[in-house]
Amino acid sequence: NAGVTQTPKFQVLKTGQSMTLQCAQDMNHNSMYWYRQDPGMGLRLIYYSASEGTTDKGEVPNGYNVSRLNKREFSLRLESAAPSQTSVYFCASGETRDSPLHFGNGTRLTVT
Amino acid sequence: RKEVEQDPGPFNVPEGATVAFNCTYSNSASQSFFWYRQDCRKEPKLLMSVYSSGNEDGRFTAQLNRASQYISLLIRDSKLSDSATYLCVVYDSGSARQLTFGSGTQLTVLP
Repeated sequence: NAGVTQTPKFQVLKTGQSMTLQCAQDMNHNSMYWYRQDPGMGLRLIYYSASEGTTDKGEVPNGYNVSRLNKREFSLRLESAAPSQTSVYFCASGETRDSPLHFGNGTRLTVT
Repeated sequence: RKEVEQDPGPFNVPEGATVAFNCTYSNSASQSFFWYRQDCRKEPKLLMSVYSSGNEDGRFTAQLNRASQYISLLIRDSKLSDSATYLCVVYDSGSARQLTFGSGTQLTVLP
């Protein structure tokens, strides 16, 4: 079982560049999430999608956009990367909004 | 006050020891509670859900105290492989965060 698959695993961007982080889950989960994790800050929610066709802002949405392409896929886009967006990004999915989450392996993004 | 607070540690314990972590949460309306573990530079993985009556899974016991707004995790007979960061997670449907993660408690089990 693949579970939650994230790509890429590593990425280095220059300030101002754009990129899309891809996430797909094969567990038929309704809810999907994007988190960022910074040292000493814990996991912070960027955006989530409670079901196909809906997206909502989380705690730290500025500088990001998302697309719930279908039930399986939830992508995160950085339109103009900034050094403050250097972080580890995790995609996660859950059966419902209050279910335990399954995480992808993470994307380590560095913005110079 | 942070919504979910944990003692960051580190906790350094010998193999075979019993260790307990506490986590406090600020919203009395929080509905679901979980413990996750995260190994260095890896993704968080669910360790166990926390039920009102308390629950046990092998060497791990989780407790919820709604009156005092804290959850706890007890690890008995700790193993070297238990070394990790333990994350307390609280679900609140009214919060923009949905699931709020604590910053984690670092545990190192020493031989």
